[in-house]
Amino acid sequence: GENVEQHPSTLSVQEGDSAVIKCTYSDSASNYFPWYKQELGKRPQLIIDIRSNVGEKKDQRIAVTLNKTAKHFSLHITETQPEDSAVYFCARGSNYKLTFGKGTLLTVNP
Amino acid sequence: DAGVIQSPRHEVTEMGQEVTLRCKPISGHNSLFWYRQTMMRGLELLIYFNNNVPIDDSGMPEDRFSAKMPNASFSTLKIQPSEPRDSAVYFCASSLAGEESPLHFGNGTRLTVT
Repeated sequence: GENVEQHPSTLSVQEGDSAVIKCTYSDSASNYFPWYKQELGKRPQLIIDIRSNVGEKKDQRIAVTLNKTAKHFSLHITETQPEDSAVYFCARGSNYKLTFGKGTLLTVNP
Repeated sequence: DAGVIQSPRHEVTEMGQEVTLRCKPISGHNSLFWYRQTMMRGLELLIYFNNNVPIDDSGMPEDRFSAKMPNASFSTLKIQPSEPRDSAVYFCASSLAGEESPLHFGNGTRLTVT
């Protein structure tokens, strides 16, 4: 199917710790996996994406890993800061359509 | 680049009234999407246009919802008649063609139907 399962739904960490959010999907045709960050009352914004021919991608404190065989991908945030607090959405792209996970509310406690 | 522009930012209306949401995509983008966001259902794709043509409207909840894209720089989402369960944030997003192109979201319209 087209669904994307995202876990956990909420995540609370101490400043400086790492945060990991995981998503799974079932559609083998998926080939594009973006992650969006949405702050309260604002629009979702792309923070990182990965394509199916790549296993890992890193951008400063953010990294994404993809396991196409197992059909799961993860977002890793290291050295978390209070401004990382937001809702994070994974998504998978197939046939022009992006299907989003239900989101993870990340709270970074100072 | 002004980004995707949506109007209005907030809309409060009474049940039964017609609601029209507006969107101006990023210049040069030829794909436009309407999403609805609620706590219960998350981000749902309502309809997708490519080169102004509706490609997939399978996400449109029912006949009360309609969307148009008369030209490359403007789209509308209309709800007639509106119902309280339509209350949500409606996002418009645009991208270059291709399923691996990042989506750029507008700031959304928060709709409240009383």
